[in-house]
Amino acid sequence: GAVVSQHPSWVICKSGTSVKIECRSLDFQATTMFWYRQFPKQSLMLMATSNEGSKATYEQGVEKDKFLINHASLTLSTLTVTSAHPEDSSFYICSASPDSLTEAFFGQGTRLTVV
Amino acid sequence: KNQVEQSPQSLIILEGKNCTLQCNYTVSPFSNLRWYKQDTGRGPVSLTIMTFSENTKSNGRYTATLDADTKQSSLHITASQLSDSASYICVVMGSGGYNKLIFGAGTRLAVHP
Repeated sequence: GAVVSQHPSWVICKSGTSVKIECRSLDFQATTMFWYRQFPKQSLMLMATSNEGSKATYEQGVEKDKFLINHASLTLSTLTVTSAHPEDSSFYICSASPDSLTEAFFGQGTRLTVV
Repeated sequence: KNQVEQSPQSLIILEGKNCTLQCNYTVSPFSNLRWYKQDTGRGPVSLTIMTFSENTKSNGRYTATLDADTKQSSLHITASQLSDSASYICVVMGSGGYNKLIFGAGTRLAVHP
């Protein structure tokens, strides 16, 4: 099946620093990728829709200046958490699909811990 | 309001036993319903995807059913294995593309030896 790879799997950073998370579709092109956040024992919450070659669409309540999304190619989207704070600690997951009729494939997730 | 509710929240079964997880949704209009397995600290992995016209779909020991009239789905796991321990998430896709995926809170399944 199709593979979506996220990197890194986990990261620990100091408060105030920025962290970049990569999401790659390894064997298909994805014009759209999605970024989710998941807190412990809760379901995935959509943060933003990443569109190749254009600005991302953010969900209500998600700060676009804090969570910078870049989708520079058909196989790569990045999420940068800027000026991270402990409350940003969470599990971040991306998903992608070859087209709108195909199931979404999820990355393995990135555990972010801000200390 | 579009919602997906799953029950039970958590479940403990013995290895080799069967179990059934439930999913009720109010998403409308409806496009398809998916079941995902999520191991702790990992991303969700697709088990099944069903459209309006499909009543049942199997993937190995996993069998999903869908009743679009009552807006209910179930995931039946046969002959459970220790590796089945995970969260099982019911996801409904409404209209509008993937930004309309509505996630259930999941059922945490623990299979004990």
